[in-house]
Amino acid sequence: EAGVTQFPSHSVIEKGQTVTLRCDPISGHDNLYWYRRVMGKEIKFLLHFVKESKQDESGMPNNRFLAERTGGTYSTLKVQPAELEDSGVYFCASSPRRTSGGTTDTQYFGPGTRLTVL
Amino acid sequence: AQSVTQLDSQVPVFEEAPVELRCNYSSSVSVYLFWYVQYPNQGLQLLLKYLSGSTLVKGINGFEAEFNKSQTSFHLRKPSVHISDTAEYFCAVMGFGAAGNKLTFGGGTRVLVKP
Repeated sequence: EAGVTQFPSHSVIEKGQTVTLRCDPISGHDNLYWYRRVMGKEIKFLLHFVKESKQDESGMPNNRFLAERTGGTYSTLKVQPAELEDSGVYFCASSPRRTSGGTTDTQYFGPGTRLTVL
Repeated sequence: AQSVTQLDSQVPVFEEAPVELRCNYSSSVSVYLFWYVQYPNQGLQLLLKYLSGSTLVKGINGFEAEFNKSQTSFHLRKPSVHISDTAEYFCAVMGFGAAGNKLTFGGGTRVLVKP
């Protein structure tokens, strides 16, 4: 079974440019999450999709960030325009549909996209 | 809301020695607890998790962790480390009933195993 994949692995852009990050979750996983780790800080939640719907976007830093998950499969995270403080590693994770018993499912993480804004 | 503190940012350890990585959390609700590991140039991989039941949890690669509710801790241990355990380790929590099952992470602990 293929794991979570992310593209690109690295991206270097200049301030003011636009960048789009892509995440392909594990096939059949309804839940998709984006997280970010800024240099020297902890990994922080950005948002959560259930299929194509945004369940929780409380961690999105501002309106320069736009996440989509059309068709409930892969997801994109666009940063427009990028600022210096957006540099960091962006992780995507996926998990199966929550069980009826309420137990949580493991989130499976991708390798991340390292974004550098100059 | 939840917060997680990993008390050591870096832990050097000799091969075959034991290691303990400390994790304390704060939460207004009950939590699930996780340890993830990130090997160089790879994504985060789940080591172990505590959902309920026995407070001693065994994970992959010989790691185990103990949940202590009174001390709000979830320390990770391995009795004898190998060079291949060199990695960054993350403690994380998820609040019961949290919207969307989002994880709150600690700052990470880098483990460097020396020969």
